Amino acid sequence: DTEVTQTPKHLVMGMTNKKSLKCEQHMGHRAMYWYKQKAKKPPELMFVYSYEKLSINESVPSRFSPECPNSSLLNLHLHALQPEDSALYLCASSQAEGEQFFGPGTRLTVL
Amino acid sequence: RKEVEQDPGPFNVPEGATVAFNCTYSNSASQSFFWYRQDCRKEPKLLMSVYSSGNEDGRFTAQLNRASQYISLLIRDSKLSDSATYLCVEDTGRRALTFGSGTRLQVQP
Repeated sequence: DTEVTQTPKHLVMGMTNKKSLKCEQHMGHRAMYWYKQKAKKPPELMFVYSYEKLSINESVPSRFSPECPNSSLLNLHLHALQPEDSALYLCASSQAEGEQFFGPGTRLTVL
Repeated sequence: RKEVEQDPGPFNVPEGATVAFNCTYSNSASQSFFWYRQDCRKEPKLLMSVYSSGNEDGRFTAQLNRASQYISLLIRDSKLSDSATYLCVEDTGRRALTFGSGTRLQVQP
């Protein structure tokens, strides 16, 4: 299995909702990442997990809360989001050192 | 934050043409570099890593010039399917990738 999967593909939520994005990989990669991508912009790093521990938080607001239950799974919990948080949320994984492989993303709309 | 800079394009080229993209980076400590391609409304996909000695994969050739801090991608014999946005990417060593803004390529019949 050489892919990263993400669910859901699309998500529409109100500013008072709580939702979660899920990411899974079975390549044995020990680093996993969350990126945010706005239209016509490059992906921007949000979080890095290395060996299931949070190693980088790029000053992301606390309304985004990552979780790594095990080496194959990565979640992003969302609460009290703003309309400007609407974007494509991409998960990626990599070996300890190496290229990153991206999932198809979750397209999030916050109303 | 150090940045990676690319010409946004678009580069409009006919099928069969050779096209080259350049990218400059400002962080001399950056360890690794990559080219990714991204199709509209899709995720970035790794195209190739970039090595100081230069590397080639079929119609694609990547070069890294550390002295001048630029990276290049050459595409020969362009195909319609090469139409995409090409992202220049650096890894500063924290395992955190920094993406350039991308160069859009449109190959025309």
